[in-house]
Amino acid sequence: RKEVEQDPGPFNVPEGATVAFNCTYSNSASQSFFWYRQDCRKEPKLLMSVYSSGNEDGRFTAQLNRASQYISLLIRDSKLSDSATYLCVVKGDSSYKLIFGSGTRLLVRP
Amino acid sequence: EAQVTQNPRYLITVTGKKLTVTCSQNMNHEYMSWYRQDPGLGLRQIYYSMNVEVTDKGDVPEGYKVSRKEKRNFPLILESPSPNQTSLYFCASSSGQGYSPLHFGNGTRLTVT
Repeated sequence: RKEVEQDPGPFNVPEGATVAFNCTYSNSASQSFFWYRQDCRKEPKLLMSVYSSGNEDGRFTAQLNRASQYISLLIRDSKLSDSATYLCVVKGDSSYKLIFGSGTRLLVRP
Repeated sequence: EAQVTQNPRYLITVTGKKLTVTCSQNMNHEYMSWYRQDPGLGLRQIYYSMNVEVTDKGDVPEGYKVSRKEKRNFPLILESPSPNQTSLYFCASSSGQGYSPLHFGNGTRLTVT
């Protein structure tokens, strides 16, 4: 089983739609969680961190469920510019190491 | 400007010809790491370093070497490149603390013929 698993998609949605991605992780001692965004052939960039209480940044909402060991990302009112691959990232218990999921691809169509 | 700089951006080489991809960061980060990204496989860690002179293997270290003689630099060395090392490579750095994010370089697209 992979340490961090994501549905690869693609998720193909119309502009204005709400879309949600889930990501599961295997190490219950994981401490920090992130969503990164990666555009085609470019470097990943931090979208948002995921805190225990959940957090929101504009149209984006991230949730953490430690009991079920998953994190989620909700995108409301999708824009064409949201088309990208979204990477779930989990930081281990006692090291600096970050573990990346394979990514979920989102396509927003006009 | 805080950044991670990788060079070169594109590199085409032949099997067996030693090459080095450089990585430098100006944020005084302790943690640096190299990843390769291949279609369908996501980002896989090659090597990482938690500080000067401290390096360790990631998930796919075979065929690669690294060094960390200074805090800011973390070069990736391919002593004898092979076609299966054709990939997109990213260097990244972080302070390593808590929720500190990874900062990535722009990537190096390597082709080994």
